[in-house]
Amino acid sequence: AQTVTQSQPEMSVQEAETVTLSCTYDTSESDYYLFWYKQPPSRQMILVIRQEAYKQQNATENRFSVNFQKAAKSFSLKISDSQLGDAAMYFCAYRTFGNEKLTFGTGTRLTIIP
Amino acid sequence: NAGVMQNPRHLVRRRGQEARLRCSPVKGHSHVYWYRQLPEEGLKFMVYLQKENIIDESGMPKERFSAEFPKEGPSILRIQQVVRGDSAAYFCASSPLLAGADTQYFGPGTRLTVL
Repeated sequence: AQTVTQSQPEMSVQEAETVTLSCTYDTSESDYYLFWYKQPPSRQMILVIRQEAYKQQNATENRFSVNFQKAAKSFSLKISDSQLGDAAMYFCAYRTFGNEKLTFGTGTRLTIIP
Repeated sequence: NAGVMQNPRHLVRRRGQEARLRCSPVKGHSHVYWYRQLPEEGLKFMVYLQKENIIDESGMPKERFSAEFPKEGPSILRIQQVVRGDSAAYFCASSPLLAGADTQYFGPGTRLTVL
């Protein structure tokens, strides 16, 4: 069974600084997708970024980028120029190609210090 | 362009009552997923449906829980004879027809409280 591990229950960063959230996963599959979702206090789940495992290039979305290490099964999220609105729970998620079920980690609570 | 809609946003039930949670997917999306989030935990997959079909219900408890996605109308997650352990946030997500290549978009969730 696939598992997703987020080893940092809480992280904090000064506004305008950079922070990296860690995620590792366990799978025997070769084709899969990885996601980072953000859950602000409103509890809405918002997609931040996604990565296809067959792509070697790391995905980027504005201030958000990932460091995808397929051999190490690691998928970290880097947030640059942190803003107060980035404060939220961040969940890493995994999905095997051809299987629609998302498997989530337990989340990292990110606090932005003004 | 409305996103995934869920209602009610908050639902309070007493033990033994029934809970019905509704989900309207993004217009044009034909795949619906239900997830449950217990306090301080990540989301756990429950069930995946297409119109009039249950595709994967491997995360659904075997008793008291059922889900449907009729040809017309919203998807319904039904919990019979609720117990305190059912208290959680229930999220619905949808994706388009080419689900193998697409991302799931989430609704705002329904927070169920069982007294």
